[in-house]
Amino acid sequence: ETGVTQSPTHLIKTRGQQVTLRCSSQSGHNTVSWYQQALGQGPQFIFQYYREEENGRGNFPPRFSGLQFPNYSSELNVNALELDDSALYLCASSWVGGADYEQYFGPGTRLTVT
Amino acid sequence: GDSVTQMEGPVTLSEEAFLTINCTYTATGYPSLFWYVQYPGEGLQLLLKATKADDKGSNKGFEATYRKETTSFHLEKGSVQVSDSAVYFCALRGTSYDKVIFGPGTSLSVIP
Repeated sequence: ETGVTQSPTHLIKTRGQQVTLRCSSQSGHNTVSWYQQALGQGPQFIFQYYREEENGRGNFPPRFSGLQFPNYSSELNVNALELDDSALYLCASSWVGGADYEQYFGPGTRLTVT
Repeated sequence: GDSVTQMEGPVTLSEEAFLTINCTYTATGYPSLFWYVQYPGEGLQLLLKATKADDKGSNKGFEATYRKETTSFHLEKGSVQVSDSAVYFCALRGTSYDKVIFGPGTSLSVIP
């Protein structure tokens, strides 16, 4: 069984640029969630995708967008980067529909905006 | 809305000391409760969970009991090790499947 993987590991971008982060779900999972973890804080929910459609969204502006592909891999896109977007971005996959819902987290992508 | 509150850190303990990290929550209905651990430079790992009142989750010597009457899910370990040094997050999943809500985390340092 393959776990959740994310790429890249680290990324440095300039304010105003756009970035795409990638996530490969755990085998057999049909749902992916994205979280932003600022330094010294708990993860904050960005959004979730289920069967390629957005299934819930946290308090993040529209410049945060996502995609889920038929193989259940996912992308997080952030436009017009701001300094406050610097954080660890975590994706988590899960199987919605089973008796025991649980999210499995990837190692994260560390984004630095300068 | 739903929320999680944890005791402030950092917490520093000597090896073999007893650990308690307090966690309380606010939620409608019957949430599932979790403890996650994050080691330096890594992502989150699920440590233990409980899905209904009075359930006890346990793993690697850590335990937590779902107390609905006090809306609490305190993490305990009888004898900590240096390798337990990490940040611990209490979290809940409410009646909606779409998100897990995390507390701010408690940093634990265990010294030999």
